[in-house]
Amino acid sequence: LAKTTQPISMDSYEGQEVNITCSHNNIATNDYITWYQQFPSQGPRFIIQGYKTKVTNEVASLFIPADRKSSTLSLPRVSLSDTAVYYCPLLNAGNNRKLIWGLGTSLAVNP
Amino acid sequence: GAVVSQHPSWVICKSGTSVKIECRSLDFQATTMFWYRQFPKQSLMLMATSNEGSKATYEQGVEKDKFLINHASLTLSTLTVTSAHPEDSSFYICSANRDSDSPLHFGNGTRLTVT
Repeated sequence: LAKTTQPISMDSYEGQEVNITCSHNNIATNDYITWYQQFPSQGPRFIIQGYKTKVTNEVASLFIPADRKSSTLSLPRVSLSDTAVYYCPLLNAGNNRKLIWGLGTSLAVNP
Repeated sequence: GAVVSQHPSWVICKSGTSVKIECRSLDFQATTMFWYRQFPKQSLMLMATSNEGSKATYEQGVEKDKFLINHASLTLSTLTVTSAHPEDSSFYICSANRDSDSPLHFGNGTRLTVT
């Protein structure tokens, strides 16, 4: 099963745009790229999902190059409440629909 | 609002006792639910896939007799940690999705502490 690699931590300031990258060199044809946010002692919260090119919703954008071996989550104008761990698990779109998780990126937003 | 509900949110039990954790899908039916375990500052580890009306599928290294999963209805899956030991103390999280086109949603987790 494909694994993902992310930077362990990132620092930012309120109002800045934050881009978090994820590497998934062995992504399979039927894998979707998903991003989740997790606060301490809470379950992960879905942010965005994509297969290729660019996806945008009300909270984030997801950029996926043509080879799909990486992806970038873009958070516009972060606030203190965006301090969390961000994960980019790959979703197997087959019957099992498993999510395989890496270690995530701990984002600290400073005032 | 939450689409997957877990109960309890935290539980403390004595070593050797059993603990049941419930996972409910709210306003949708889930033929499949997933159970994860997460240790401090680590990622989520998939324990098993809960299948409604049939046996759960366990990941390699997860003892099926210790972590009993029951998915008796389309909206409820339960995980029972039997004969709990301190090393079973962890954060247990379940997930489910409405349909194949929807993302997986997670419960808020259950913090289990075994003394």
